[in-house]
Amino acid sequence: DAGITQSPRYKITETGRQVTLMCHQTWSHSYMFWYRQDLGHGLRLIYYSAAADITDKGEVPDGYVVSRSKTENFPLTLESATRSQTSVYFCASFNRESYNSPLHFGNGTRLTVT
Amino acid sequence: QKEVEQDPGPLSVPEGAIVSLNCTYSNSAFQYFMWYRQYSRKGPELLMYTYSSGNKEDGRFTAQVDKSSKYISLFIRDSQPSDSATYLCAMRDSFANAGGTSYGKLTFGQGTILTVHP
Repeated sequence: DAGITQSPRYKITETGRQVTLMCHQTWSHSYMFWYRQDLGHGLRLIYYSAAADITDKGEVPDGYVVSRSKTENFPLTLESATRSQTSVYFCASFNRESYNSPLHFGNGTRLTVT
Repeated sequence: QKEVEQDPGPLSVPEGAIVSLNCTYSNSAFQYFMWYRQYSRKGPELLMYTYSSGNKEDGRFTAQVDKSSKYISLFIRDSQPSDSATYLCAMRDSFANAGGTSYGKLTFGQGTILTVHP
């Protein structure tokens, strides 16, 4: 199916462990984004990528690492998970060729760090 | 102070009511304004998109932008229980001004939780 897929949907991990959240899109959009959503803060940008092998920090990048070796995949890694990283994580993609193109979001990964 | 401010609510209204959702912002460079709707356990999806000041209507939904006041609104007429969701405003600079790899970066409000009860 066309769209943007995140996996896993739910994840529980322990403090200090490394965790990777996966994101895959089928539109070949050049731009991809990782957001976290927390009560009282709304959506905050963690990292984004303009194309394969081009990534840049967003508003809250500390503790996260991204890579983009292929256009369709944009994994997010928590190198050493902390309780403050308990959140819902959303991946999104965007077609920059169209001025009024919206962000297309996945359905999120709910991460709990114990 | 946040760049975009949105009352988080929650807002509870009876079916058929007119709902008004609002955001204020401080960055005068914002030119594209959006409203996203997010159902529980789902990702946000685009509801309305407007460019610069003015009104845009789509069925029961009307989006208004007042750039002079740095204020945007979303009105929902004849609200339905299916409208129960979180509504997020979002905005961005023009592509010409953003430059480089800034294309597509949106600044979101905190979201307003709306419940429409039968």
